[in-house]
Amino acid sequence: DTAVSQTPKYLVTQMGNDKSIKCEQNLGHDTMYWYKQDSKKFLKIMFSYNNKELIINETVPNRFSPKSPDKAHLNLHINSLELGDSAVYFCASSQDLLGAYEQYFGPGTRLTVT
Amino acid sequence: AQKITQTQPGMFVQEKEAVTLDCTYDTSDQSYGLFWYKQPSSGEMIFLIYQGSYDEQNATEGRYSLNFQKARKSANLVISASQLGDSAMYFCAMRGRLSYNTDKLIFGTGTRLQVFP
Repeated sequence: DTAVSQTPKYLVTQMGNDKSIKCEQNLGHDTMYWYKQDSKKFLKIMFSYNNKELIINETVPNRFSPKSPDKAHLNLHINSLELGDSAVYFCASSQDLLGAYEQYFGPGTRLTVT
Repeated sequence: AQKITQTQPGMFVQEKEAVTLDCTYDTSDQSYGLFWYKQPSSGEMIFLIYQGSYDEQNATEGRYSLNFQKARKSANLVISASQLGDSAMYFCAMRGRLSYNTDKLIFGTGTRLQVFP
């Protein structure tokens, strides 16, 4: 069974379009995250949710809107896609926001904006 | 400011040899944690090992060990008996306190390890 799953794995779209990435975890974790990994492999947190509540919102353009319908799901919607949004987006989950809990990552979604 | 530094963009090691991947960190927090993740060419992020700032013993997980030197603020990953399947990007990360009820992971820039026969 996959612990953290994301769909789609690849997403190719044109500038200006709106797209969504879905994430689900079956680990029973309280906390979920979205990360962006750029072309130089640098990983940076974008958002975190704890029990469906937004906790971390890094300096991300407001074209990016996360939504957590329940503890097991965290989706990422992106409006008016730009070339610079091309990256790999990772969803992750951990048992809690605090403490020595490792984060389990999904397989990533490679977004290419043309 | 909290920061993780990995100064080795790339490392080579021969199969069956040991290799050390460097990681230094900067934080003013008393309580923090250090993680290592592996990212193979397939792209997934795999958790390897964790060290808490108050842990007195260095963490070990199979062939992975973390050489934690608190005074030097370093948390190097040691991989013993390298295997071809160890070829991957390796990321050091630090759990830092964002607020009273929130931590976040800060990642280094990664080291690409290549194991050759």
